[in-house]
Amino acid sequence: QSVLTQPPSASGTPGQRVAISCSGSSSDIGSEYVFWYQQLPGTAPKLLIYRNNQRPSGVSDRFSGSKSGTSASLAISGLRSEDEADYYCAAWDDSLSDYVFGTGTKVTVL
Amino acid sequence: QVQLVESGGGLVKPGGSLRLSCAASGFTFSDYYMSWIRQAPGKGLEWVSYISSSGSTIYYADSVKGRFTISRDNAKNSLYLQMNSLRAEDTAVYYCARSRGGNGGAHYFDYWGQGTLVTVSS
Repeated sequence: QSVLTQPPSASGTPGQRVAISCSGSSSDIGSEYVFWYQQLPGTAPKLLIYRNNQRPSGVSDRFSGSKSGTSASLAISGLRSEDEADYYCAAWDDSLSDYVFGTGTKVTVL
Repeated sequence: QVQLVESGGGLVKPGGSLRLSCAASGFTFSDYYMSWIRQAPGKGLEWVSYISSSGSTIYYADSVKGRFTISRDNAKNSLYLQMNSLRAEDTAVYYCARSRGGNGGAHYFDYWGQGTLVTVSS
């Protein structure tokens, strides 16, 4: 099962903007939608972004997603302490008929 | 509100079997695809399987193909995962999730349960 590549960590001070990258291939991100999930400490993951850049109802507009070629990015603006969490990108891999997650990025608010 | 409650986890010996259940409420269960996703202790997320609303379409990750079986009972609003020939590497928290987007590339998970821990050890 292949995985999407994310940086292991990212950090910022309150109010800053943080961006998390997600790198894949032509068979996953390059040809399919990208999704982002947030996992707060000790809790189940939560859907943050769907279909590259859509926010579910109730998700703050401080979170935004984008995609270009075989990479995607999640941006968090106006960073807050409650944003400290693990963030995972995900996409369907066409060639494997497999749903692949990113390696995960731990965001720390300094 | 949407609720997903997993049960059935526990300690099992290598080679053993376990059946997980997920009780759904707060939505019309028979209208939605459902999935299982797992997370090994201290590790990332790994998709396991999904099943269509009618049960006619099923996909598995290669790591569990031939050993795990996903099923559902729409009359009981329940999702199941039968796990056979368990290995140490199957140790993880198993999450049940409601799925959207149908098959393939538009598929995603919009609600997750709290998870149930499966430990495979002698």
